[in-house]
Amino acid sequence: EIVLTQSPGTLSLSPGDRATLSCTTSQSISTSYLAWYQHRPGQAPRLLIYGASSRATGIPDRFSGSGSGTDFTLTISRLEPEDFAMYYCQQFGSLPLTFGGGTKVEIK
Amino acid sequence: QLQLQESGPGLVKPSETLSLTCTVSGGSISSPHFHWIWVRQPPGKGLEWIGTVYYSGTTYYNSSLESRVTISVDTSNKQVSLKLTSVTAADSGLYYCAMAVGTTRGFGYWGPGTLVTVSS
Repeated sequence: EIVLTQSPGTLSLSPGDRATLSCTTSQSISTSYLAWYQHRPGQAPRLLIYGASSRATGIPDRFSGSGSGTDFTLTISRLEPEDFAMYYCQQFGSLPLTFGGGTKVEIK
Repeated sequence: QLQLQESGPGLVKPSETLSLTCTVSGGSISSPHFHWIWVRQPPGKGLEWIGTVYYSGTTYYNSSLESRVTISVDTSNKQVSLKLTSVTAADSGLYYCAMAVGTTRGFGYWGPGTLVTVSS
C-alpha cells in the first residue's frame, strides 16, 4: 500500500497569504496518478489538480500543483475566504487507492 | 453537466446490510472510459477508499472490507450500488460516490454524500 503523508496537519493563515501544502508518498509514483481535492464541511470533495500539476475544469489559477517522485506540493497563491477548507492528496495508480490524512487550512 | 446523487437508509442496525445507490444524471455514461469509486469518511477522520467499479463491471475492493463489500454498476439505469454486510458502529460515517472519466484525470464528479449511522 502506498501511504500518503500530508504536512502540515493544520495551516493557520490570513486571506491574501500564500499556502503551501505538502504530500509525501511512501514510494515513488507517476505524476499521472496524483490528485488534490478540496473538501469543505457539508460539501462534496472537489477535484482541484490531477496529474500532479493540471488544474481541473473551472479551478482558479491561484491553485497550482507541482512535484514528482515522492514529493508533491499544492500551492494557493493568494488565499480567498472560500479557500479555508480541508485539502487531501490522493494516489490512484496503485491499489488500494489511498488518500493523505489531509491538511486543514484555517483562518489565523 | 453530469451529477451524482447517493441514496439509501440513513440508519442501519448492527449486523445488518448497508445498501446505497449512486445515481448519475445529466448525461450519458455509455462509455468504457467511466469508472466509479465509493469513499467513506468516519466522523472526525479522513477519506477512506472502499472500492472501484469499472464500466465493464470489473471491481476492486479495499482489502480491509473485501469480505463484506459488493459494488456493482447498472449502466442502463445509470446507477452504481454499494452493499456492505455485517455492519458495526465503525461503519458509520459519510459515504460518497465519485466518478472519473479516463484513467489519469482524477475523480472530477462527486455526489454530496450520504450520512449512515449504524445503531440499534
